[in-house]
Amino acid sequence: ETGVTQTPRHLVMGMTNKKSLKCEQHLGHNAMYWYKQSAKKPLELMFVYSLEERVENNSVPSRFSPECPNSSHLFLHLHTLQPEDSALYLCASSQALTGHNQPQHFGDGTRLSIL
Amino acid sequence: AQSVAQPEDQVNVAEGNPLTVKCTYSVSGNPYLFWYVQYPNRGLQFLLKYITGDNLVKGSYGFEAEFNKSQTSFHLKKPSALVSDSALYFCAVRCSISGGYNKLIFGAGTRLAVHP
Repeated sequence: ETGVTQTPRHLVMGMTNKKSLKCEQHLGHNAMYWYKQSAKKPLELMFVYSLEERVENNSVPSRFSPECPNSSHLFLHLHTLQPEDSALYLCASSQALTGHNQPQHFGDGTRLSIL
Repeated sequence: AQSVAQPEDQVNVAEGNPLTVKCTYSVSGNPYLFWYVQYPNRGLQFLLKYITGDNLVKGSYGFEAEFNKSQTSFHLKKPSALVSDSALYFCAVRCSISGGYNKLIFGAGTRLAVHP
């Protein structure tokens, strides 16, 4: 149990569907991250929320839309995805402002497959 | 710019033998370095970190890492490998602080295979 829970664990969707990935952390952290992990590629940081404010958006296509309603929850809304978006999507959390030397804690990811 | 290199895609070692997974880094200022492990169908798990102090850092599951400033390296080591250590290992360096959060730059990962 890492303290970071991601749902669903697996998701298969068509290119025209709309779905959302959910992440919840029980660690009292206030920074949350979305990463994309594709086969044979480095981990890609997609979005960062610190104190519920989006502080980083790494040129991610608009078909990915993050939402952070509070410091414990993070969503990634998906629509009109492409086959190359198939990957493992990882959520992580850490302590902002005072936790610069502390590790990020990761969830087990959502394995996304686009048909 | 900060960067991390893991020069080996895969490391093979026999059970009971010592293992080393290599990592080199490039940072401006003092480095803050981390090792993570990823087992199949799981997220990344924190193993250990170097912030300051002793160059030899001990972490979870019997792993340790040696910080070498002159060689800008932070190699992961274990004296005696177990089959259960087989996994994907990531080295990471903390990027410059911005927005008050802990941004990490990850290496491409090294797959460790421990054979019985």
